[in-house]
Amino acid sequence: DAGVTQSPTHLIKTRGQQVTLRCSPKSGHDTVSWYQQALGQGPQFIFQYYEEEERQRGNFPDRFSGHQFPNYSSELNVNALLLGDSALYLCASTQGSYGYTFGSGTRLTVV
Amino acid sequence: EDQVTQSPEALRLQEGESSSLNCSYTVSGLRGLFWYRQDPGKGPEFLFTLYSAGEEKEKERLKATLTKKESFLHITAPKPEDSATYLCAGMNYGGATNKLIFGTGTLLAVQP
Repeated sequence: DAGVTQSPTHLIKTRGQQVTLRCSPKSGHDTVSWYQQALGQGPQFIFQYYEEEERQRGNFPDRFSGHQFPNYSSELNVNALLLGDSALYLCASTQGSYGYTFGSGTRLTVV
Repeated sequence: EDQVTQSPEALRLQEGESSSLNCSYTVSGLRGLFWYRQDPGKGPEFLFTLYSAGEEKEKERLKATLTKKESFLHITAPKPEDSATYLCAGMNYGGATNKLIFGTGTLLAVQP
């Protein structure tokens, strides 16, 4: 049984560019959350998607946006990249309210 | 403001030397207290969920406990393979959904 799959694993972008990260949830999971983890910090909640809609959002600017598809997979888009956006981006999926399973993340480096 | 604080930031143990990691929390509408293990460059790996004060859960050399203000992760006779960052997170119910509020983690190094 495949867990949460994220792509790409690593990415290098230039300031001002845009990036799209992808996530396939664990089989049977219908809810996807995205987290940002800066080096040496704990993950910070970005937003959560359920039934193709954003249900809750953390303290992140509008440059961060997302989408969920009918097959429950999800994308995280970040526009106008800043150096401070460099981080490990984690996708977590769940069915219902509990049992979050995390992917291995996408390491984004902004230069 | 919801907050989770972990201590110590880093801990170095000799193999077999037992210790505890602390997680203090202030999370409104707490729906559960989670412990995860994270290896470098990887995503968090689920260890335990605790739901009510007094609850305890064990897995191999790890035991997690919960009070109304804190949670502890006890590591008994650790081995080098237990070296990792241990993350604590409170689940907060935000009206429409749940989200995890993480601490900054404890970096554990177990030396042979």
